Amino acid sequence: GAGVSQSPRYKVAKRGQDVALRCDPISGHVSLFWYQQALGQGPEFLTYFQNEAQLDKSGLPSDRFFAERPEGSVSTLKIQRTQQEDSAVYLCASSLQANTEAFFGQGTRLTVV
Amino acid sequence: AQSVTQLDSHVSVSEGTPVLLRCNYSSSYSPSLFWYVQHPNKGLQLLLKYTSAATLVKGINGFEAEFKKSETSFHLTKPSAHMSDAAEYFCVVSDSRGTDKLIFGTGTRLQVFP
Repeated sequence: GAGVSQSPRYKVAKRGQDVALRCDPISGHVSLFWYQQALGQGPEFLTYFQNEAQLDKSGLPSDRFFAERPEGSVSTLKIQRTQQEDSAVYLCASSLQANTEAFFGQGTRLTVV
Repeated sequence: AQSVTQLDSHVSVSEGTPVLLRCNYSSSYSPSLFWYVQHPNKGLQLLLKYTSAATLVKGINGFEAEFKKSETSFHLTKPSAHMSDAAEYFCVVSDSRGTDKLIFGTGTRLQVFP
């Protein structure tokens, strides 16, 4: 299992529900990114971790979005009180260190109904 | 601020004919540029990257791209399309002075007809 793994692959949430999306990066990768890809669009940056430190969260669209990586490996993206506009594919990527290739997971497709 | 513009949302070619996917970039300094491919239900895969070494970059599966500073372009080409090339292609610029976050274009869907 050498790749970036994301779970669940699909999530349907009722509006107002909280959701948690998990990312298992490639073992030993220092950098971890979350992106949001709306239908028909390119991925957009949400947040970046270097080990357990969240160094950039400028892309998080609102304070309902929260990400953590407490031990510098697995990361969780949490969305509180989901809204319809949160429906998208959420992609996680990891890289060994700065300025190296980023490897992407298959994403979690979130549908808010 | 950095950005990329993909000039075509859809490109259709016949199998065996050349592929050209166009991308223009905007950057206030020498950029790192990438092309990624996304097949349905698969993760994004790096095709190639430019990081100020050679201006002609060769990637996987026969793709290549040429960095042209005078035209601020980074077009992706392949001499002969294969059916398996049908996918979504993204031109990407990296914020290499900061967190290495990637800034994606809106994508070009490539269709290959037999």
